[in-house]
Amino acid sequence: DAKTTQPNSMESNEEEPVHLPCNHSTISGTDYIHWYRQLPSQGPEYVIHGLTSNVNNRMASLAIAEDRKSSTLILHRATLRDAAVYYCILRLNQAGTALIFGKGTTLSVSS
Amino acid sequence: GAVVSQHPSRVICKSGTSVKIECRSLDFQATTMFWYRQFPKQSLMLMATSNEGSKATYEQGVEKDKFLINHASLTLSTLTVTSAHPEDSSFYICSAEETGKKTGELFFGEGSRLTVL
Repeated sequence: DAKTTQPNSMESNEEEPVHLPCNHSTISGTDYIHWYRQLPSQGPEYVIHGLTSNVNNRMASLAIAEDRKSSTLILHRATLRDAAVYYCILRLNQAGTALIFGKGTTLSVSS
Repeated sequence: GAVVSQHPSRVICKSGTSVKIECRSLDFQATTMFWYRQFPKQSLMLMATSNEGSKATYEQGVEKDKFLINHASLTLSTLTVTSAHPEDSSFYICSAEETGKKTGELFFGEGSRLTVL
C-alpha cells in the first residue's frame, strides 16, 4: 500500500482556516486520496476524497498537487468541534478495498 | 447520510467468556464490511474484511478462530471475540461499503469498547 506522511499534530485558533498537509510521493495513478477524521471515543467520519482535481464539500476543501504527490485538507473556519485526529489515506476506488489508517494528525483548536 | 450502528457500545466481560458485537447498516445494503481494532493512543488496525455470504478475510496476525466474523445478511455483520482475555480489551470499530455505489466513501459505526476483566 502506498503510504502517506502527515505531521503528528497541529494547532489552530477558532474561526481561522486550517491547512492540514499530507505527502504521498509513491501514489499510483489509481489511488484516490481520502480524508477521514476521528473525534475522541468515536468511529471515524468521512471528510472528503479526490483523485486529481481539487474538491469542495460542506465540510472542507481538498487541494491536490499537480503531480499528486501531496495534498492539503483545508478547513475554512475551524471550530472547537473540528478538534480531532485527521487521517489522509490512499485507497483504490474498487469495491471491497479497506482503508488502511496511518497515525494521522491531531488537530487542536483553541478558543 | 448513511448510518452504521454498532451494538453494544460498551461491554465488560469476564476473562474466558465470549462477546458478540453487531454492526448494522441502517439505511443501505453493504456487501462488504470491515472490522478494525484500536488500542489507546493508537491508530485503527484492520482486522478483517467481511463479505456477505462468504468467509471473512483476515489480516496477517489476526486469529480467525478467536475473532469469529459472520456476515449473514446485507445489513448485518457480527464479530465474536471468543475466550476473551484482558489483552483483547480494545475499541472495536466496523465500517461498511454501500453495495454498488462508487462514491468511495466508507461509513463507520460508533465503535464498541470491550473491557475484559
